[in-house]
Amino acid sequence: SYVLTQPPSVSVAPGQTARIACGGNNLGTKSVHWYQQRPGQAPLLVIYYDTDRPSGIPDRFSGSKSGNTATLTISRVEAGDEADYFCQVWDSGADDLIFGGGTKLAVL
Amino acid sequence: VQLQESGPRLVKPSETLSLTCTVSGDSISPSYWSWVRQSPGRGLEWIGYIYYNGATNYTPSLKNRVTISVDTARNQFSLRLMSLTPADTAVYFCARGARDLDHWGQGTPVTVSS
Repeated sequence: SYVLTQPPSVSVAPGQTARIACGGNNLGTKSVHWYQQRPGQAPLLVIYYDTDRPSGIPDRFSGSKSGNTATLTISRVEAGDEADYFCQVWDSGADDLIFGGGTKLAVL
Repeated sequence: VQLQESGPRLVKPSETLSLTCTVSGDSISPSYWSWVRQSPGRGLEWIGYIYYNGATNYTPSLKNRVTISVDTARNQFSLRLMSLTPADTAVYFCARGARDLDHWGQGTPVTVSS
C-alpha cells in the first residue's frame, strides 16, 4: 500500500518559520491535503489540493510541492500552532485514502 | 456544518460496532461522507466513504468487515464494523468529503474489551 513519510517532530521558535515535509512515491501526481490536530481535538483541514487554504485558515499557512515531497510551511509561528500535522492523499491505484504518520510541531 | 458521532463506547470482541453520524447545518445531499479512526498504534486510518446516493468505497484492509449506510431523511450516515478485536480500539471520527475532509465530528472513543 502507498506510504507517506513525515518526520516525527519539528521544533521552531516563536516568530520563526516551520517547514513540515511529506514524502511519497510519485507524489507529484497526487493532490496533497494537510491537517492540524491539537490534543483532544479532531483534525482540521489547513491546506487542500497542495496549495489552497480553506476560509478561516490564516495566510501564515501555505503548501507547496516539488518532486516527491510536499511541504507545509507555517510562517511567524505562534504558540497556538503547536499541534500534530498530517499530510494525506488519495491513492487512485488502490482506491484508498492515505494519511502520513504525523509530525509533532513544538514551539520552543 | 456540524457532525456528531453517537454509539457505544465499549463493545466486546467478536461483536459488531454500530456508530451514527448526525449532520447539521448542511444536507447529506449531494456530498461524500467518510469515517476515519485514530489509535496510538495505527495513527489516522480512513475506513471508507459513502455518497448521498448510497455508493460506497472502503479501505481494502477493512472491506470484508465494514458497511457504511446513509439515511437522507434523517441527515445521518452510519458505520457497521463486524468481528471486532482489541485492535479496533480507537477514536472514531465522521467527516465530510472523499478526497479532502473539510469538516469533522469531535470523535467518539471506542474500546473493544471483554
